[in-house]
Amino acid sequence: EAGVAQSPRYKIIEKRQSVAFWCNPISGHATLYWYQQILGQGPKLLIQFQNNGVVDDSQLPKDRFSAERLKGVDSTLKIQPAKLEDSAVYLCASSLDLTNGGYTFGSGTRLTVV
Amino acid sequence: AQTVTQSQPEMSVQEAETVTLSCTYDTSESNYYLFWYKQPPSRQMILVIRQEAYKQQNATENRFSVNFQKAAKSFSLKISDSQLGDTAMYFCAFMKYASGSRLTFGEGTQLTVNP
Repeated sequence: EAGVAQSPRYKIIEKRQSVAFWCNPISGHATLYWYQQILGQGPKLLIQFQNNGVVDDSQLPKDRFSAERLKGVDSTLKIQPAKLEDSAVYLCASSLDLTNGGYTFGSGTRLTVV
Repeated sequence: AQTVTQSQPEMSVQEAETVTLSCTYDTSESNYYLFWYKQPPSRQMILVIRQEAYKQQNATENRFSVNFQKAAKSFSLKISDSQLGDTAMYFCAFMKYASGSRLTFGEGTQLTVNP
């Protein structure tokens, strides 16, 4: 089966600019996650979708970050305006079974804010 | 809230030798999963091994095995016959046994396998 697709692979922007990341999960996976991984740290959950509804966005900085999952398939994560501390790898993951930890991760987008 | 701690930022091992990576966690949950993920430079998280907390038997996957001590809240990963391709960042992760649970990761251990 195809994996979780993410684009772009790299992005460099200036602070205060906006940026968007795209994720296409594995077909049939109802649950989709966005994680932020700052260099030297473990990934931290930003937002979790079940189909096209938000399950958990408690760690999402809502003043600048937004995410949507139209039609319960693809998802887009947006940052506007970006800050220097947003420099990180943004990982998307999807899962079919909610209770067995059967996550599949994408290769992530590395964002550098200068 | 759950926390996961990996106290070894970096480790190295000679090819063909055995290495153990440490992980401790804190939770009040009784049912949960524990995982070890590998992250090579390609950045993709790859599942190495999984342990269900209700199982007393330690999980094994080929050269990878865990030592799960539930009372001590310890979950170490042993890699036998280390290979150059094992060089990567390794993350320990926790997940509650409940629908829609998130993964909580430790800070990671960079493992380097030397020829």
